[in-house]
Amino acid sequence: AQTVTQSQPEMSVQEAETVTLSCTYDTSENNYYLFWYKQPPSRQMILVIRQEAYKQQNATENRFSVNFQKAAKSFSLKISDSQLGDTAMYFCAFMKQVGNQFYFGTGTSLTVIP
Amino acid sequence: GAGVSQSPRYKVAKRGQDVALRCDPISGHVSLFWYQQALGQGPEFLTYFQNEAQLDKSGLPSDRFFAERPEGSVSTLKIQRTQQEDSAVYLCASSLGRTGFSGNTIYFGEGSWLTVV
Repeated sequence: AQTVTQSQPEMSVQEAETVTLSCTYDTSENNYYLFWYKQPPSRQMILVIRQEAYKQQNATENRFSVNFQKAAKSFSLKISDSQLGDTAMYFCAFMKQVGNQFYFGTGTSLTVIP
Repeated sequence: GAGVSQSPRYKVAKRGQDVALRCDPISGHVSLFWYQQALGQGPEFLTYFQNEAQLDKSGLPSDRFFAERPEGSVSTLKIQRTQQEDSAVYLCASSLGRTGFSGNTIYFGEGSWLTVV
């Protein structure tokens, strides 16, 4: 079974500063995908960044980057130069390489303070 | 369409009532998923379609839940004899790929908020 754990229910950060959201997961799979999704109050899940487990290089998307530690089964999200629009719930998710379902964590509510 | 569209956006049902939630995926998308998101939780998988075939329904919580996609495009999630624990946001997602995630982005709708009173 796959499990995803987000140990920070709530976090806050000053505008323009950097924040890191934590995620750990448990799986016996060797090849898989990891994702961070953003969910604003509208409830639509928006893909922030994804990482293929077979790639050693950490994924980056503009202000968003990950620290993927496969051996430790850790997948944290770093948001640089935080903006007010980054305020949302953030979900870490796992999917098997050949799979059809996400396994989501319980989310971290991020508030960017002006 | 431009994105995944779900209707109704909000539904209040009396306990015991049947409800139907609709999902219009992005045109041409082969894969379609339903998720249930309870308050304060992450989404949980309900079922997966590849075209009109329901390949995985392992997440459906009981036989009161039924999903269909008869023509391989629009999907309906039906909940019979609703109970209070069915109150949640029901999210639909679609992907171009045939086998769920195969490098293709999965797009989510805004969800249908169901409240059972």
